[in-house]
Amino acid sequence: GEDVEQSLFLSVREGDSSVINCTYTDSSSTYLYWYKQEPGAGLQLLTYIFSNMDMKQDQRLTVLLNKKDKHLSLRIADTQTGDSAIYFCAESILAYNTDKLIFGTGTRLQVFP
Amino acid sequence: NAGVTQTPKFQVLKTGQSMTLQCAQDMNHNSMYWYRQDPGMGLRLIYYSASEGTTDKGEVPNGYNVSRLNKREFSLRLESAAPSQTSVYFCASSETGYNEQFFGPGTRLTVL
Repeated sequence: GEDVEQSLFLSVREGDSSVINCTYTDSSSTYLYWYKQEPGAGLQLLTYIFSNMDMKQDQRLTVLLNKKDKHLSLRIADTQTGDSAIYFCAESILAYNTDKLIFGTGTRLQVFP
Repeated sequence: NAGVTQTPKFQVLKTGQSMTLQCAQDMNHNSMYWYRQDPGMGLRLIYYSASEGTTDKGEVPNGYNVSRLNKREFSLRLESAAPSQTSVYFCASSETGYNEQFFGPGTRLTVL
């Protein structure tokens, strides 16, 4: 079946790096996404990685994909208080007329000074 | 561009009442989606519309109906609300069914 798992909480000090982990089960994923949700807001796409890539870097964000272990991670360098939010990973699975997004439970990142 | 808009932002219903959640996008996207978000769970797909004129069930469609009114608008209807439908509802759209999805701000629904 399709399942995406994340740890629920992560607490880091401002200026440190944050690493949010995600595991998924469906090996047919086409893309894997990281979304950010701030309080009371919708989801905002942060970054994504195509399933045939191992790494993608975008400014302070680094995404690592281990296809063998079905493990995805998001590293945020120099974490700031504005990074405090819930982070969702999602895998994209090809259906007959659209991609289905399967979301993880979300990781709440708390950044303290 | 406003992106994806949803109305209302908040709603309280009594068990058995009906209501329609509205969603509109101004990005000329073909595909639209309705999700619900519950505490401790990720977003779950209720219904989606891959293109104007088509709708399909997602993971949790029971108790809901949808209408793809035109390319811009995709509504979600609760015919007889139940407390189990208390949730935050998000609408999303994508250019085709194979691109990133853009999300609206959500509707927080409480059913008493």
